[in-house]
Amino acid sequence: KQEVTQIPAALSVPEGENLVLNCSFTDSAIYNLQWFRQDPGKGLTSLLLIQSSQREQTSGRLNASLDKSSGRSTLYIAASQPGDSATYLCAVRGGSQGNLIFGKGTKLSVKP
Amino acid sequence: KAGVTQTPRYLIKTRGQQVTLSCSPISGHRSVSWYQQTPGQGLQFLFEYFSETQRNKGNFPGRFSGRQFSNSRSEMNVSTLELGDSALYLCASNIDGWAEYGYTFGSGTRLTVV
Repeated sequence: KQEVTQIPAALSVPEGENLVLNCSFTDSAIYNLQWFRQDPGKGLTSLLLIQSSQREQTSGRLNASLDKSSGRSTLYIAASQPGDSATYLCAVRGGSQGNLIFGKGTKLSVKP
Repeated sequence: KAGVTQTPRYLIKTRGQQVTLSCSPISGHRSVSWYQQTPGQGLQFLFEYFSETQRNKGNFPGRFSGRQFSNSRSEMNVSTLELGDSALYLCASNIDGWAEYGYTFGSGTRLTVV
């Protein structure tokens, strides 16, 4: 059974710092991995989608990498801003028509 | 283009009642999935519908059911509500449910059972 773990559960950093969020999964047979952002009481906003054949994806200040063989993904946020404060969730898709399996998220707080 | 629309945004129901939540996917998307989010369990998959057929189902009791209409809009129903059903219910749409496409989520329906 696929399990997704995100460490740390919470992270507080000063504005301007570069940071890395970690996601690990137990079964390397995934089709893709998606990173989301969730603001308090709101839905999920998709940040990056990495297919199993890809090693990384970039969007603005965000860069996500995927190492299937080791069951790991990282989300790199450059030059963090207070507006980046949110919970970041990673989710893997185990089959071509399978559902998403989520980690519990990392709650990020960026202090001005 | 319009995103995924979920209605209502908030609901308060009494234990034992039933409730229906609605989700309109992005125009042209044919796959709709439902997820339950609670502080303790996180996000858990309920079911997925594609072309009016349930294609995938999570590990939830039969009190949780859904359907999809010909215009791809989906409804989720929970009967005989329990206090533990209090959660944020999120709907996600996908072009056709295949792995090469990512999911777009709605803002959710916050259900409180008292």
